[in-house]
Amino acid sequence: AQKVTQAQTEISVVEKEDVTLDCVYETRDTTYYLFWYKQPPSGELVFLIRRNSFDEQNEISGRYSWNFQKSTSSFNFTITASQVVDSAVYFCALLNNAGNMLTFGGGTRLMVKP
Amino acid sequence: DTGVSQDPRHKITKRGQNVTFRCDPISEHNRLYWYRQTLGQGPEFLTYFQNEAQLEKSRLLSDRFSAERPKGSFSTLEIQRTEQGDSAMYLCASSLGGLGTYGYTFGSGTRLTVV
Repeated sequence: AQKVTQAQTEISVVEKEDVTLDCVYETRDTTYYLFWYKQPPSGELVFLIRRNSFDEQNEISGRYSWNFQKSTSSFNFTITASQVVDSAVYFCALLNNAGNMLTFGGGTRLMVKP
Repeated sequence: DTGVSQDPRHKITKRGQNVTFRCDPISEHNRLYWYRQTLGQGPEFLTYFQNEAQLEKSRLLSDRFSAERPKGSFSTLEIQRTEQGDSAMYLCASSLGGLGTYGYTFGSGTRLTVV
Protein backbone atom coordinates (compact mmCIF):
# COMPACT_ATOMS: atom_id res chain seq x y z
CA ALA A 1 0.00 0.00 0.00
CA GLN A 2 1.12 3.51 -0.69
CA LYS A 3 1.12 6.30 1.84
CA VAL A 4 2.05 9.97 1.85
CA THR A 5 2.48 11.90 5.08
CA GLN A 6 2.57 15.65 5.41
CA ALA A 7 3.16 16.16 9.10
CA GLN A 8 2.63 19.92 9.05
CA THR A 9 -1.07 20.62 8.83
CA GLU A 10 -0.69 24.38 8.97
CA ILE A 11 2.21 26.81 8.69
CA SER A 12 2.08 30.56 9.15
CA VAL A 13 4.92 32.81 8.04
CA VAL A 14 5.47 36.48 7.41
CA GLU A 15 6.05 37.64 3.88
CA LYS A 16 9.63 37.25 2.64
CA GLU A 17 10.40 34.42 5.02
CA ASP A 18 11.55 31.10 3.60
CA VAL A 19 9.37 28.09 4.35
CA THR A 20 9.80 24.35 3.85
CA LEU A 21 6.92 21.92 3.49
CA ASP A 22 7.73 18.34 4.41
CA CYS A 23 6.59 15.19 2.62
CA VAL A 24 7.41 11.59 3.49
CA TYR A 25 6.16 8.69 1.42
CA GLU A 26 5.92 4.91 1.54
CA THR A 27 5.74 2.59 -1.45
CA ARG A 28 6.84 -0.87 -2.51
CA ASP A 29 7.16 0.15 -6.14
CA THR A 30 10.69 0.58 -7.44
CA THR A 31 9.50 3.02 -10.07
CA TYR A 32 7.19 5.78 -9.00
CA TYR A 33 6.58 9.48 -9.42
CA LEU A 34 6.19 12.22 -6.85
CA PHE A 35 4.22 15.39 -7.31
CA TRP A 36 3.45 18.63 -5.58
CA TYR A 37 0.16 20.42 -6.18
CA LYS A 38 -1.10 23.79 -4.98
CA GLN A 39 -4.77 24.25 -4.13
CA PRO A 40 -5.76 27.91 -3.80
CA PRO A 41 -9.11 28.91 -2.28
CA SER A 42 -10.75 28.50 -5.69
CA GLY A 43 -10.31 24.74 -5.27
CA GLU A 44 -8.49 23.78 -8.44
CA LEU A 45 -5.39 21.63 -8.04
CA VAL A 46 -2.47 23.31 -9.76
CA PHE A 47 0.47 21.15 -10.81
CA LEU A 48 3.86 22.35 -9.51
CA ILE A 49 6.37 19.57 -10.13
CA ARG A 50 6.78 15.92 -11.08
CA ARG A 51 9.83 13.88 -10.11
CA ASN A 52 10.53 10.24 -10.95
CA SER A 53 12.19 7.85 -8.53
CA PHE A 54 15.36 7.58 -10.57
CA ASP A 55 16.09 11.28 -10.61
CA GLU A 56 17.32 12.53 -7.27
CA GLN A 57 18.60 15.84 -8.53
CA ASN A 58 17.17 18.77 -6.68
CA GLU A 59 15.20 21.20 -8.76
CA ILE A 60 14.75 24.94 -8.59
CA SER A 61 12.08 26.94 -10.35
CA GLY A 62 12.14 30.59 -9.46
CA ARG A 63 11.35 30.89 -5.75
CA TYR A 64 10.43 27.20 -5.54
CA SER A 65 12.85 24.36 -4.91
CA TRP A 66 12.46 20.68 -4.20
CA ASN A 67 14.70 18.28 -2.31
CA PHE A 68 14.19 14.60 -3.14
CA GLN A 69 16.00 12.14 -0.87
CA LYS A 70 15.26 8.53 -1.69
CA SER A 71 17.25 7.31 1.33
CA THR A 72 14.79 8.97 3.68
CA SER A 73 11.74 8.69 1.38
CA SER A 74 11.26 12.42 1.51
CA PHE A 75 10.35 15.02 -1.08
CA ASN A 76 10.39 18.42 0.57
CA PHE A 77 9.33 21.70 -0.96
CA THR A 78 10.85 25.08 -0.13
CA ILE A 79 9.47 28.49 -1.00
CA THR A 80 12.07 31.24 -0.80
CA ALA A 81 11.01 34.78 0.02
CA SER A 82 7.37 33.84 0.45
CA GLN A 83 4.62 36.09 -0.83
CA VAL A 84 0.99 36.52 0.18
CA VAL A 85 -0.05 34.90 -3.12
CA ASP A 86 1.66 31.71 -1.98
CA SER A 87 -1.09 31.24 0.61
CA ALA A 88 -2.82 27.98 -0.27
CA VAL A 89 -2.99 24.32 0.64
CA TYR A 90 -0.11 22.30 -0.78
CA PHE A 91 -0.37 18.60 -1.46
CA CYS A 92 2.36 16.06 -1.99
CA ALA A 93 1.28 13.03 -4.03
CA LEU A 94 2.67 9.67 -5.10
CA LEU A 95 1.84 8.03 -8.42
CA ASN A 96 2.02 4.26 -8.51
CA ASN A 97 4.08 2.33 -11.03
CA ALA A 98 0.99 1.45 -13.04
CA GLY A 99 0.37 5.16 -13.42
CA ASN A 100 -3.29 4.91 -12.61
CA MET A 101 -3.60 6.14 -9.05
CA LEU A 102 -2.33 9.18 -7.17
CA THR A 103 -2.10 8.91 -3.41
CA PHE A 104 -2.22 12.31 -1.75
CA GLY A 105 -0.97 13.46 1.59
CA GLY A 106 -3.29 15.32 3.92
CA GLY A 107 -1.98 18.69 2.76
CA THR A 108 -0.26 21.62 4.44
CA ARG A 109 -2.10 24.90 4.70
CA LEU A 110 0.36 27.75 4.21
CA MET A 111 -0.61 31.22 5.34
CA VAL A 112 1.69 34.05 4.36
CA LYS A 113 0.97 37.24 6.22
CA PRO A 114 1.92 40.67 4.89
CA ASP B 1 -9.14 23.24 -25.27
CA THR B 2 -9.33 25.04 -21.96
CA GLY B 3 -8.82 22.13 -19.63
CA VAL B 4 -10.98 19.75 -17.64
CA SER B 5 -14.53 21.01 -17.10
CA GLN B 6 -16.86 19.88 -14.37
CA ASP B 7 -20.52 20.62 -14.01
CA PRO B 8 -22.13 21.73 -11.81
CA ARG B 9 -19.65 23.64 -9.63
CA HIS B 10 -21.94 23.38 -6.63
CA LYS B 11 -24.81 21.06 -5.81
CA ILE B 12 -27.04 21.12 -2.76
CA THR B 13 -29.32 18.15 -2.37
CA LYS B 14 -31.55 16.63 0.23
CA ARG B 15 -30.56 13.38 1.85
CA GLY B 16 -31.89 10.42 -0.08
CA GLN B 17 -31.88 12.12 -3.47
CA ASN B 18 -29.77 10.98 -6.41
CA VAL B 19 -27.17 13.29 -7.92
CA THR B 20 -25.13 13.14 -11.11
CA PHE B 21 -21.99 15.07 -11.93
CA ARG B 22 -20.41 15.53 -15.32
CA CYS B 23 -16.77 15.78 -16.32
CA ASP B 24 -15.45 16.81 -19.73
CA PRO B 25 -11.75 15.94 -20.01
CA ILE B 26 -9.15 17.46 -22.28
CA SER B 27 -10.16 16.14 -25.67
CA GLU B 28 -7.02 14.17 -26.53
CA HIS B 29 -6.72 12.59 -23.07
CA ASN B 30 -7.68 8.93 -23.05
CA ARG B 31 -7.65 8.47 -19.26
CA LEU B 32 -10.16 9.99 -16.89
CA TYR B 33 -10.15 9.79 -13.09
CA TRP B 34 -12.53 10.63 -10.28
CA TYR B 35 -11.36 11.67 -6.83
CA ARG B 36 -13.19 12.77 -3.70
CA GLN B 37 -11.89 15.39 -1.30
CA THR B 38 -13.45 15.90 2.10
CA LEU B 39 -12.84 19.01 4.14
CA GLY B 40 -9.28 19.25 5.41
CA GLN B 41 -8.12 16.13 3.63
CA GLY B 42 -6.25 15.28 0.48
CA PRO B 43 -8.11 13.90 -2.54
CA GLU B 44 -8.77 10.18 -2.52
CA PHE B 45 -8.97 8.03 -5.62
CA LEU B 46 -12.37 6.63 -6.58
CA THR B 47 -12.17 5.19 -10.10
CA TYR B 48 -10.64 5.63 -13.53
CA PHE B 49 -11.33 4.97 -17.18
CA GLN B 50 -9.14 4.28 -20.15
CA ASN B 51 -11.24 5.35 -23.09
CA GLU B 52 -14.69 3.90 -22.31
CA ALA B 53 -13.44 1.02 -20.16
CA GLN B 54 -13.62 1.39 -16.38
CA LEU B 55 -10.41 -0.30 -15.31
CA GLU B 56 -10.52 0.27 -11.58
CA LYS B 57 -13.62 0.65 -9.48
CA SER B 58 -12.81 -1.16 -6.26
CA ARG B 59 -12.18 2.18 -4.54
CA LEU B 60 -15.70 3.43 -5.12
CA LEU B 61 -17.01 4.10 -1.65
CA SER B 62 -20.14 1.99 -1.83
CA ASP B 63 -22.55 0.48 -4.32
CA ARG B 64 -24.41 3.79 -4.26
CA PHE B 65 -21.57 5.24 -6.33
CA SER B 66 -21.28 4.53 -10.04
CA ALA B 67 -19.46 6.10 -12.96
CA GLU B 68 -19.74 5.88 -16.70
CA ARG B 69 -17.84 7.06 -19.71
CA PRO B 70 -20.03 5.74 -22.51
CA LYS B 71 -18.22 7.08 -25.56
CA GLY B 72 -14.77 7.53 -24.13
CA SER B 73 -15.20 11.27 -23.92
CA PHE B 74 -17.17 12.85 -21.04
CA SER B 75 -17.89 10.95 -17.85
CA THR B 76 -20.63 11.01 -15.25
CA LEU B 77 -20.45 10.13 -11.57
CA GLU B 78 -23.75 9.24 -9.92
CA ILE B 79 -24.47 8.94 -6.23
CA GLN B 80 -27.75 7.31 -5.35
CA ARG B 81 -29.63 7.83 -2.08
CA THR B 82 -27.22 10.50 -0.91
CA GLU B 83 -26.16 10.66 2.71
CA GLN B 84 -24.71 13.54 4.69
CA GLY B 85 -21.34 11.82 4.67
CA ASP B 86 -21.27 12.18 0.89
CA SER B 87 -20.77 15.92 1.28
CA ALA B 88 -17.40 16.62 -0.32
CA MET B 89 -15.63 18.03 -3.35
CA TYR B 90 -15.66 15.62 -6.28
CA LEU B 91 -12.69 16.13 -8.58
CA CYS B 92 -12.19 14.88 -12.09
CA ALA B 93 -8.82 14.62 -13.80
CA SER B 94 -7.58 13.47 -17.17
CA SER B 95 -4.27 12.39 -18.63
CA LEU B 96 -2.74 11.16 -21.84
CA GLY B 97 -1.67 7.71 -20.82
CA GLY B 98 -0.64 6.94 -17.28
CA LEU B 99 2.59 8.85 -16.89
CA GLY B 100 2.08 12.12 -18.59
CA THR B 101 4.81 14.69 -18.33
CA TYR B 102 2.64 16.97 -16.29
CA GLY B 103 0.73 14.35 -14.34
CA TYR B 104 -2.96 14.73 -14.35
CA THR B 105 -4.90 17.85 -15.21
CA PHE B 106 -7.59 18.41 -12.64
CA GLY B 107 -10.89 20.18 -13.02
CA SER B 108 -12.19 22.70 -10.50
CA GLY B 109 -14.44 20.13 -8.92
CA THR B 110 -18.10 19.81 -7.96
CA ARG B 111 -18.83 20.65 -4.36
CA LEU B 112 -21.70 18.53 -3.03
CA THR B 113 -23.61 19.47 0.09
CA VAL B 114 -26.16 16.99 1.38
CA VAL B 115 -28.66 18.52 3.80
